Amino acid sequence: NAGVTQTPKFRVLKTGQSMTLLCAQDMNHEYMYWYRQDPGMGLRLIHYSVGEGTTAKGEVPDGYNVSRLKKQNFLLGLESAAPSQTSVYFCASSYAFNEQFFGPGTRLTVL
Amino acid sequence: RKEVEQDPGPFNVPEGATVAFNCTYSNSASQSFFWYRQDCRKEPKLLMSVYSSGNEDGRFTAQLNRASQYISLLIRDSKLSDSATYLCVVYGGSQGNLIFGKGTKLSVKP
Repeated sequence: NAGVTQTPKFRVLKTGQSMTLLCAQDMNHEYMYWYRQDPGMGLRLIHYSVGEGTTAKGEVPDGYNVSRLKKQNFLLGLESAAPSQTSVYFCASSYAFNEQFFGPGTRLTVL
Repeated sequence: RKEVEQDPGPFNVPEGATVAFNCTYSNSASQSFFWYRQDCRKEPKLLMSVYSSGNEDGRFTAQLNRASQYISLLIRDSKLSDSATYLCVVYGGSQGNLIFGKGTKLSVKP
């Protein structure tokens, strides 16, 4: 089992560009999450999903959109990237609201 | 008051030392508690769950005090490989999700 994988691992964008981060899990988990981690801020929840076709806002959803068209995939989109979105993005999945398994992260820089 | 608070450290200890981390949480309705470990530039990984009766896993002991809304992690006989950031995590926050503390950094020196 690969667990939770994220694509890409690194990305550099210019302000205003768009991109999609892909998260995939092979553990048949219902719940999936997107976090961002910034120095001194800890992990902050962007959006989450409790099942295929459902999404909900987390603590810091502005500037991001998500989709969960398939149970195993959770996509995070940035429509118009801003320097404030420079961060490390982690995807996670879980069976319920309990232990979460994290992907290796995506390091995004917005210039 | 922040939902989950931890002393950021860093805690610099020699090998073999015993070190304790504390964490407080604000939501008295919180239901589940965890300690995660995060190595530098890596993803967080579950270290252990925290049960009401306290629990131990080898050199690691976790305690929960619901009355004081306080969680602790004790590491005995510290190893160099214990160097990492330890995240206190609480389920039952205002959004019904896991709420992560900012982490406590531990550095174990030879």
